[in-house]
This record gives sequence, C-alpha cells and structure tokens, in this order.
Amino acid sequence: DQQVKQNSPSLSVQEGRISILNCDYTNSMFDYFLWYKKYPAEGPTFLISISSIKDKNEDGRFTVFLNKSAKHLSLHIVPSQPGDSAVYFCAASAYAGNNRKLIWGLGTSLAVNP
Amino acid sequence: GAVVSQHPSWVICKSGTSVKIECRSLDFQATTMFWYRQFPKQSLMLMATSNEGSKATYEQGVEKDKFLINHASLTLSTLTVTSAHPEDSSFYICSARDLLTLGVGHQETQYFGPGTRLLVL
Repeated sequence: DQQVKQNSPSLSVQEGRISILNCDYTNSMFDYFLWYKKYPAEGPTFLISISSIKDKNEDGRFTVFLNKSAKHLSLHIVPSQPGDSAVYFCAASAYAGNNRKLIWGLGTSLAVNP
Repeated sequence: GAVVSQHPSWVICKSGTSVKIECRSLDFQATTMFWYRQFPKQSLMLMATSNEGSKATYEQGVEKDKFLINHASLTLSTLTVTSAHPEDSSFYICSARDLLTLGVGHQETQYFGPGTRLLVL
C-alpha cells in the first residue's frame, strides 16, 4: 500500500516556465514533508521541507504548498532551468515506534527543455 | 553544511565475500543514520534505522544477520553485507539526521550520502 503517491512518473517543461510536481498521501499521522532531488547513481539531495502546521514554504525558486484537508502537497519550481532536470522524490515523515522514518514516493522525472 | 560521505562509491566482489560500506557525517553529529537500497527504476527502500550506541532497527523482510549495521560513533555508521550473493547487487545509500545541532526546522531532514554501487559476481 503506497502511503505516498507521485502519480506522474514524468514531466516535461520548457525552460523559464513553471514546473509543478504533485504528491498525495494517505496517512494523517504524517507531520513533516520533504522534497528531494536525485540524479542517477547519486544520493538524493534535500531541496525543501514543510511542517504540517504550515501551508507554504518558499526557498528561492522552490516553493512547497501543503493542503492538509486534501492530503496533497506540491513543489513549484519557477523559473525552471535545464539543471533542474532530475528525479524528484516526495517524502513524508512520521513516528514508527520510537523512531521517525521517511516514507517515499516513487519519484517524478522532470525534464526541463532549453 | 550537513555533508554525508560514503565509501566506497562502488565495489565489485565475488559471491560469498563480505563487503563493508562506511557512512560518515562530516560536519554534524548524526544521532540517527538510515540505510536504504534502491533497485533500478524504483524508489528508495529503507533497510534499517540506527541510533548511535544502540542496536539497529530493521525493516520487515531485511535480514539482520546478513546486513550488519554498526553505529558506534556520532559520525560513523557501517553496513556490512555478509556472504554477498548476486541478488544483493544494488545501490546502497545512507542518510543521517541530526537532532541536536542543525537547529529548528532541520531535525526531521535526512541528509544523504552519494551512494555505493555494489555488484556481486
């Protein structure tokens, strides 16, 4: 059962335009959400996060929006650049026993075309 | 800040040998470290969570006797794949989390190493 879903496996955007990556979750116990960017054969790089008490967090070109009632979050990248081309993973955090762990989506491959 | 290194970056070994992978937090204290593996075109699969100074907590289906995890210090965790077989070939990634020094808003963030590609022949 996929608790964190990224329903679009791929997305193609023109350079300079906005990229919107979506993520849905099912577990209401998640209270912290993160977006990571990953290149092939490399570890994920942390991009931006948001606590469940907020509905928006912005860092430069990256903005994450959280809609708790819809159990939905999105990552906006504007303007998109060719170097943004990578796989983007959405992750949600919750306690499991005494430990917190991240539950990952399957990723969305973003291609930004020059 | 929050840099995590992994060594080696890739390893090829014969079936039946053991392989040790090191994960180090370079500029922060990793109170918790995580080990993941990733198969091609799939997401990250959490294998185990280790807190410094205590035994690792393994995810369901992960053999603790096969994947030995040691987190003896606040900056180093090791994963040893014992008696490796071809089906253990994968991309292994560690991550670290710091609950003490990275400050408010970062405690839940995991910082990842670059990964280790293991090929067992």
